[in-house]
Amino acid sequence: AIRMTQSPSSFSASTGDRVTITCRASQGISSYLAWYQQKPGKAPKLLIYAASTLQSGVPSRFSGSGSGTEFTLTINWLQSEDFATYYCQQYDSYPYTFGQGTNLEIK
Amino acid sequence: EVQLVESGGGLVQPGGSLRLSCAASGFTFSSYSMNWVRQAPGKGLEWVSYISHTGRTMYYADSVKGRFTISRDDAKNSLFLQMNSLGDEDTALYYCTRDDGFCTNTNCYRWWPYWGQGTLVTVSS
Repeated sequence: AIRMTQSPSSFSASTGDRVTITCRASQGISSYLAWYQQKPGKAPKLLIYAASTLQSGVPSRFSGSGSGTEFTLTINWLQSEDFATYYCQQYDSYPYTFGQGTNLEIK
Repeated sequence: EVQLVESGGGLVQPGGSLRLSCAASGFTFSSYSMNWVRQAPGKGLEWVSYISHTGRTMYYADSVKGRFTISRDDAKNSLFLQMNSLGDEDTALYYCTRDDGFCTNTNCYRWWPYWGQGTLVTVSS
């Protein structure tokens, strides 16, 4: 199975900050990568697919980049509602696998 | 509006069985492949199983292969997960998801814009 590794696992930031989360795949997955946001007690929400395509309705302060084995999720001008856990997920091949998650907390 | 509503979770003893259901609405269910994804308490996300829109192709995570069976009933717009030989490691919130994506000549690539709210399975004596 393809292993997905996110960094950092958690960190603190302030509203207005720009933050970047990195996701690395254990083998090349082209651009077959999605990012999800999950808030406590809620189902995950799709933010980005195809590594950089913003899902409909997601604010433009979210962006994704990368291909192959290294990917990033960037959030510009952090808002209070962005404090959550973020997961990357590869859909290049089954079993589809997730990163371990990045918990973004308020500083 | 797309809606996915899971049900059937509960408390079950180790070695027991449970059948989860996911009722779909707001889209043509028979046109979409579906999945189950789970999340153990305080842990990350784990894909569990996939079924094609025709119901002819299924995939399973190694952790559930041989114990879980995914199925669908297009007449009832419903997805199911039959879970047997349950162990502590199966305790989790189980979500159903709807695929979006595309297929090439050789492969299909899918992401999940729609999730249910989840149904909790607790395996404990």
